[in-house]
Amino acid sequence: EAGVVQSPRYKIIEKKQPVAFWCNPISGHNTLYWYLQNLGQGPELLIRYENEEAVDDSQLPKDRFSAERLKGVDSTLKIQPAELGDSAVYLCASSLDRSGSPAGELFFGEGSRLTVL
Amino acid sequence: SQELEQSPQSLIVQEGKNLTINCTSSKTLYGLYWYKQKYGEGLIFLMMLQKGGEEKSHEKITAKLDEKKQQSSLHITASQPSHAGIYLCGADPYYGQNFVFGPGTRLSVLP
Repeated sequence: EAGVVQSPRYKIIEKKQPVAFWCNPISGHNTLYWYLQNLGQGPELLIRYENEEAVDDSQLPKDRFSAERLKGVDSTLKIQPAELGDSAVYLCASSLDRSGSPAGELFFGEGSRLTVL
Repeated sequence: SQELEQSPQSLIVQEGKNLTINCTSSKTLYGLYWYKQKYGEGLIFLMMLQKGGEEKSHEKITAKLDEKKQQSSLHITASQPSHAGIYLCGADPYYGQNFVFGPGTRLSVLP
Protein backbone atom coordinates (compact mmCIF):
# COMPACT_ATOMS: atom_id res chain seq x y z
CA GLU A 1 0.00 0.00 0.00
CA ALA A 2 1.32 3.42 -0.93
CA GLY A 3 2.09 5.84 1.85
CA VAL A 4 1.44 9.56 1.98
CA VAL A 5 2.87 11.12 -1.14
CA GLN A 6 4.05 14.71 -1.28
CA SER A 7 5.48 16.82 -4.04
CA PRO A 8 7.71 18.51 -4.76
CA ARG A 9 10.37 17.25 -2.36
CA TYR A 10 12.39 20.40 -2.76
CA LYS A 11 11.52 23.86 -3.95
CA ILE A 12 13.69 26.96 -4.19
CA ILE A 13 12.02 30.25 -5.02
CA GLU A 14 12.65 33.93 -4.66
CA LYS A 15 10.68 35.93 -2.15
CA LYS A 16 7.32 37.25 -3.31
CA GLN A 17 6.92 34.30 -5.66
CA PRO A 18 4.04 31.85 -5.23
CA VAL A 19 4.54 28.19 -4.38
CA ALA A 20 2.25 25.19 -4.05
CA PHE A 21 2.63 21.83 -2.38
CA TRP A 22 0.59 18.76 -3.12
CA CYS A 23 -0.33 15.84 -0.88
CA ASN A 24 -1.99 12.53 -1.61
CA PRO A 25 -2.98 10.78 1.63
CA ILE A 26 -3.28 7.07 2.24
CA SER A 27 -6.37 5.66 0.64
CA GLY A 28 -9.28 5.61 3.05
CA HIS A 29 -7.81 8.14 5.46
CA ASN A 30 -10.40 10.79 6.14
CA THR A 31 -8.21 13.12 8.15
CA LEU A 32 -5.45 15.11 6.54
CA TYR A 33 -2.98 17.44 8.21
CA TRP A 34 -0.52 20.03 7.02
CA TYR A 35 2.36 20.72 9.38
CA LEU A 36 5.20 23.20 9.22
CA GLN A 37 8.56 22.17 10.62
CA ASN A 38 11.36 24.63 11.17
CA LEU A 39 14.90 23.43 11.60
CA GLY A 40 15.49 21.98 15.05
CA GLN A 41 11.84 22.13 16.04
CA GLY A 42 8.89 19.82 16.14
CA PRO A 43 6.13 20.04 13.55
CA GLU A 44 3.45 22.68 14.09
CA LEU A 45 -0.06 22.19 12.78
CA LEU A 46 -1.21 24.53 10.02
CA ILE A 47 -4.53 22.99 9.10
CA ARG A 48 -6.52 19.81 9.65
CA TYR A 49 -9.16 18.44 7.33
CA GLU A 50 -11.92 15.97 8.06
CA ASN A 51 -12.82 14.82 4.56
CA GLU A 52 -13.16 18.06 2.59
CA GLU A 53 -13.89 20.26 5.59
CA ALA A 54 -11.18 22.31 7.23
CA VAL A 55 -11.99 21.72 10.90
CA ASP A 56 -9.03 23.64 12.30
CA ASP A 57 -7.14 26.31 10.42
CA SER A 58 -6.50 28.59 13.37
CA GLN A 59 -2.72 28.41 12.87
CA LEU A 60 -2.79 29.03 9.14
CA PRO A 61 -1.56 32.54 8.21
CA LYS A 62 -4.50 33.32 6.02
CA ASP A 63 -3.08 36.49 4.54
CA ARG A 64 -0.66 34.46 2.43
CA PHE A 65 -1.42 30.78 3.00
CA SER A 66 -4.33 28.87 1.58
CA ALA A 67 -5.24 25.21 1.41
CA GLU A 68 -7.87 23.10 -0.20
CA ARG A 69 -8.94 19.51 -0.20
CA LEU A 70 -11.41 19.13 -2.99
CA LYS A 71 -13.37 15.87 -2.97
CA GLY A 72 -11.83 15.00 0.37
CA VAL A 73 -8.78 13.23 -1.04
CA ASP A 74 -5.77 15.16 -2.38
CA SER A 75 -4.82 18.45 -0.83
CA THR A 76 -2.88 21.50 -1.93
CA LEU A 77 -1.15 24.05 0.26
CA LYS A 78 -0.31 27.38 -1.35
CA ILE A 79 1.79 30.33 -0.27
CA GLN A 80 1.42 33.61 -2.10
CA PRO A 81 3.57 35.59 -1.85
CA ALA A 82 6.34 33.68 -0.14
CA GLU A 83 8.53 35.41 2.43
CA LEU A 84 12.02 34.59 3.65
CA GLY A 85 10.61 33.27 6.93
CA ASP A 86 8.55 30.67 5.11
CA SER A 87 11.64 28.57 4.48
CA ALA A 88 10.85 25.30 6.24
CA VAL A 89 9.71 21.75 5.65
CA TYR A 90 6.01 21.34 4.98
CA LEU A 91 4.76 17.96 6.11
CA CYS A 92 1.53 16.30 5.17
CA ALA A 93 0.04 13.54 7.30
CA SER A 94 -3.11 11.47 7.23
CA SER A 95 -4.98 9.26 9.63
CA LEU A 96 -8.18 7.32 9.92
CA ASP A 97 -11.36 8.91 11.17
CA ARG A 98 -10.33 11.60 13.63
CA SER A 99 -13.70 11.61 15.32
CA GLY A 100 -12.67 8.54 17.20
CA SER A 101 -10.35 8.76 20.10
CA PRO A 102 -7.46 8.69 20.58
CA ALA A 103 -6.00 10.34 17.49
CA GLY A 104 -4.27 7.17 16.52
CA GLU A 105 -1.28 6.82 14.33
CA LEU A 106 -0.47 9.62 11.93
CA PHE A 107 1.19 8.64 8.69
CA PHE A 108 3.56 11.25 7.35
CA GLY A 109 4.85 12.02 3.91
CA GLU A 110 8.51 12.80 3.38
CA GLY A 111 7.85 16.51 3.34
CA SER A 112 8.43 19.38 0.96
CA ARG A 113 11.46 21.46 1.78
CA LEU A 114 11.01 25.10 0.81
CA THR A 115 13.85 27.56 0.51
CA VAL A 116 12.96 31.19 -0.07
CA LEU A 117 15.81 33.38 -1.31
CA SER B 1 -2.63 25.12 25.32
CA GLN B 2 -0.83 21.84 25.46
CA GLU B 3 2.96 22.07 25.59
CA LEU B 4 5.47 19.30 25.45
CA GLU B 5 9.05 19.51 26.60
CA GLN B 6 11.76 17.03 25.73
CA SER B 7 15.11 16.34 27.29
CA PRO B 8 17.85 16.20 26.45
CA GLN B 9 17.79 18.44 23.40
CA SER B 10 20.56 16.35 21.85
CA LEU B 11 22.43 13.24 22.77
CA ILE B 12 25.61 11.59 21.53
CA VAL B 13 26.31 8.05 22.65
CA GLN B 14 28.73 5.30 21.78
CA GLU B 15 27.31 2.30 19.99
CA GLY B 16 26.15 -0.32 22.46
CA LYS B 17 25.25 2.14 25.19
CA ASN B 18 21.80 2.54 26.68
CA LEU B 19 20.02 5.88 26.65
CA THR B 20 16.81 7.53 27.78
CA ILE B 21 14.82 10.42 26.31
CA ASN B 22 12.13 12.17 28.31
CA CYS B 23 8.94 13.94 27.35
CA THR B 24 6.99 16.06 29.83
CA SER B 25 3.56 17.56 29.47
CA SER B 26 2.07 20.53 31.25
CA LYS B 27 -1.30 18.78 31.26
CA THR B 28 -2.63 15.27 31.59
CA LEU B 29 -2.37 13.44 28.33
CA TYR B 30 -5.05 11.49 26.59
CA GLY B 31 -2.50 9.72 24.44
CA LEU B 32 1.27 9.96 24.07
CA TYR B 33 3.05 9.03 20.86
CA TRP B 34 6.67 8.56 19.95
CA TYR B 35 7.92 9.25 16.46
CA LYS B 36 11.32 9.05 14.83
CA GLN B 37 12.53 11.33 12.07
CA LYS B 38 15.62 11.03 9.98
CA TYR B 39 17.09 14.18 8.49
CA GLY B 40 15.19 15.27 5.43
CA GLU B 41 12.48 12.70 5.86
CA GLY B 42 9.03 12.41 7.32
CA LEU B 43 8.12 11.07 10.74
CA ILE B 44 7.77 7.38 11.45
CA PHE B 45 5.40 6.21 14.15
CA LEU B 46 7.07 4.15 16.88
CA MET B 47 4.60 3.65 19.72
CA MET B 48 1.48 4.94 21.37
CA LEU B 49 0.79 4.95 25.11
CA GLN B 50 -2.59 5.69 26.54
CA LYS B 51 -2.93 4.21 30.00
CA GLY B 52 -1.20 5.45 33.11
CA GLY B 53 1.73 3.18 33.91
CA GLU B 54 1.67 1.62 30.46
CA GLU B 55 4.86 0.28 28.96
CA LYS B 56 5.47 -0.91 25.43
CA SER B 57 8.50 -2.35 23.68
CA HIS B 58 9.50 -2.80 20.10
CA GLU B 59 12.83 -4.43 19.38
CA LYS B 60 15.30 -2.51 21.55
CA ILE B 61 13.08 0.49 22.23
CA THR B 62 10.87 0.71 25.32
CA ALA B 63 8.47 3.52 26.08
CA LYS B 64 6.71 4.19 29.37
CA LEU B 65 3.96 6.54 30.46
CA ASP B 66 3.81 7.53 34.13
CA GLU B 67 0.75 7.00 36.30
CA LYS B 68 -0.25 10.65 36.14
CA LYS B 69 -0.02 10.56 32.36
CA GLN B 70 2.14 13.65 32.22
CA GLN B 71 5.56 12.20 31.57
CA SER B 72 6.92 9.59 29.20
CA SER B 73 10.34 8.11 28.67
CA LEU B 74 11.84 6.36 25.69
CA HIS B 75 14.64 3.95 26.44
CA ILE B 76 16.95 2.42 23.87
CA THR B 77 19.00 -0.59 24.87
CA ALA B 78 22.34 -1.34 23.24
CA SER B 79 22.09 1.55 20.78
CA GLN B 80 23.09 1.11 17.17
CA PRO B 81 23.92 3.63 14.43
CA SER B 82 20.52 2.84 12.91
CA HIS B 83 18.90 4.40 15.99
CA ALA B 84 20.30 7.81 15.09
CA GLY B 85 17.76 10.47 14.25
CA ILE B 86 15.36 12.87 15.88
CA TYR B 87 12.90 11.46 18.38
CA LEU B 88 9.71 13.41 18.85
CA CYS B 89 6.97 12.89 21.32
CA GLY B 90 3.47 13.85 20.33
CA ALA B 91 0.38 14.25 22.44
CA ASP B 92 -3.29 13.85 21.96
CA PRO B 93 -4.30 16.28 24.74
CA TYR B 94 -7.88 15.18 24.95
CA TYR B 95 -10.65 14.19 22.65
CA GLY B 96 -11.17 16.44 19.70
CA GLN B 97 -8.09 18.55 20.21
CA ASN B 98 -5.22 18.79 17.84
CA PHE B 99 -2.19 16.64 18.02
CA VAL B 100 0.92 18.54 19.20
CA PHE B 101 4.60 17.68 19.07
CA GLY B 102 7.54 18.26 21.34
CA PRO B 103 10.67 19.99 19.98
CA GLY B 104 12.51 16.71 19.48
CA THR B 105 15.70 15.08 20.74
CA ARG B 106 18.52 14.63 18.27
CA LEU B 107 20.34 11.33 18.81
CA SER B 108 23.72 10.49 17.36
CA VAL B 109 25.23 7.04 17.81
CA LEU B 110 28.95 6.77 17.24
CA PRO B 111 30.23 3.48 15.79
